[in-house]
Amino acid sequence: EPEVTQTPSHQVTQMGQEVILRCVPISNHLYFYWYRQILGQKVEFLVSFYNNEISEKSEIFDDQFSVERPDGSNFTLKIRSTKLEDSAMYFCASSINREQYFGPGTRLTVT
Amino acid sequence: QQPVQSPQAVILREGEDAVINCSSSKALYSVHWYRQKHGEAPVFLMILLKGGEQKGHEKISASFNEKKQQSSLYLTASQLSYSGTYFCGTENSGNTPLVFGKGTRLSVIA
Repeated sequence: EPEVTQTPSHQVTQMGQEVILRCVPISNHLYFYWYRQILGQKVEFLVSFYNNEISEKSEIFDDQFSVERPDGSNFTLKIRSTKLEDSAMYFCASSINREQYFGPGTRLTVT
Repeated sequence: QQPVQSPQAVILREGEDAVINCSSSKALYSVHWYRQKHGEAPVFLMILLKGGEQKGHEKISASFNEKKQQSSLYLTASQLSYSGTYFCGTENSGNTPLVFGKGTRLSVIA
């Protein structure tokens, strides 16, 4: 069964550094999303992407964040100049027919 | 607008039933239900679209009351594997990002 994959599974970075989180959505899906989940809290929407452009973004998704679909399969989330409060689990999701399927997540730890 | 889930937590013995509710103050287009086990990604369970439909998935089913802007998830004859946190995610219009509730922690004990 096709699934969303994410790399790395865990990323440790120092405050102020840039990180790139990678996702490979399910191949025939058209909508892509990034969500984050701070430990013990609810899942929060960051950004959605459709037809090679951002379709919606939340207040969390400020100039520090960017997304890209550099080729036909990868979908990346870049966080410039990470802060301590960026520490969270980052989930990529892709959807077809409104059913959103989540990847296993990348745990980002900013020290 | 974040949907409100109730209860916040529930403990069941194997074989017991549970109902988890998700309600919104805004008109809903769809409600999505997910289960998340500790340290894992949310797993899609089902989606309900406006129109008041009901869906089933093995012993887990759900309903969507459009007038009340509420969805309920029914777990019958619970199994140990049902333990986890159940989230509802709501859409106010089509193909929009999901807004998740805070979750309901379900623990099934032997």
